[in-house]
Amino acid sequence: SYELTQPLSVSVALGQTAGITCGGNNIGSKNVHWYQQKPGQAPVLVIYRDSNRPSEIPERFSGSNSGDTATLTINRAQVEDEADFYCQVWDSSTVVFGGGTKLTVL
Amino acid sequence: EVQLVQSGAEVKKPGESLRISCKASGYSFTSHSISWVRQMPGQGLEWLGRIDPVDSETNYRPSFEGHVTISVDTFVSTAYLKWSSLKASDTAIYYCARRRDISGYYGDWGQGTLVTV
Repeated sequence: SYELTQPLSVSVALGQTAGITCGGNNIGSKNVHWYQQKPGQAPVLVIYRDSNRPSEIPERFSGSNSGDTATLTINRAQVEDEADFYCQVWDSSTVVFGGGTKLTVL
Repeated sequence: EVQLVQSGAEVKKPGESLRISCKASGYSFTSHSISWVRQMPGQGLEWLGRIDPVDSETNYRPSFEGHVTISVDTFVSTAYLKWSSLKASDTAIYYCARRRDISGYYGDWGQGTLVTV
């Protein structure tokens, strides 16, 4: 079965840039989606189809996808960006989530 | 406004049956598939399966097939997740989510239902 690998945690200084990776075999050939989940809340879509941002999501969130790695980038990180982030793809008619990355803003 | 409203928290004993629900509004219910996602305490997201409300076609993650059943009632725009025999390991928050398009992203989520076994 297809697997997605994310780092357990990423730290970023307030106002700096954070990158969260999502590794998978030839993931560049798939559509990758990203979700943010804050404690006690449902997940929220932040990036869809690799690099598209829903209108309600701040412009500082962006995404890219090539080769074996997709990346979620958060520019000028804010305290309110602290959360768990999950990547997601479809493979063989099933949904696959990455294990999740905890983003800490210092 | 699209809304997915889930049924309330449940406390059950092992071996008991349970059905939780996800009521959709604000869009054509038969136009988008619904998935169920599990989140065990302190853990990540796991996809259980999905249903196409048009014809009730389902797909399940292999590890969940046979343990849960996903269904819909199009007359009340509601999706269901059912267990016939719960286990302690089913303790989790369960989310329903609406698939937006063929690329397979979920733009709308229910608030979650906590199931404690």
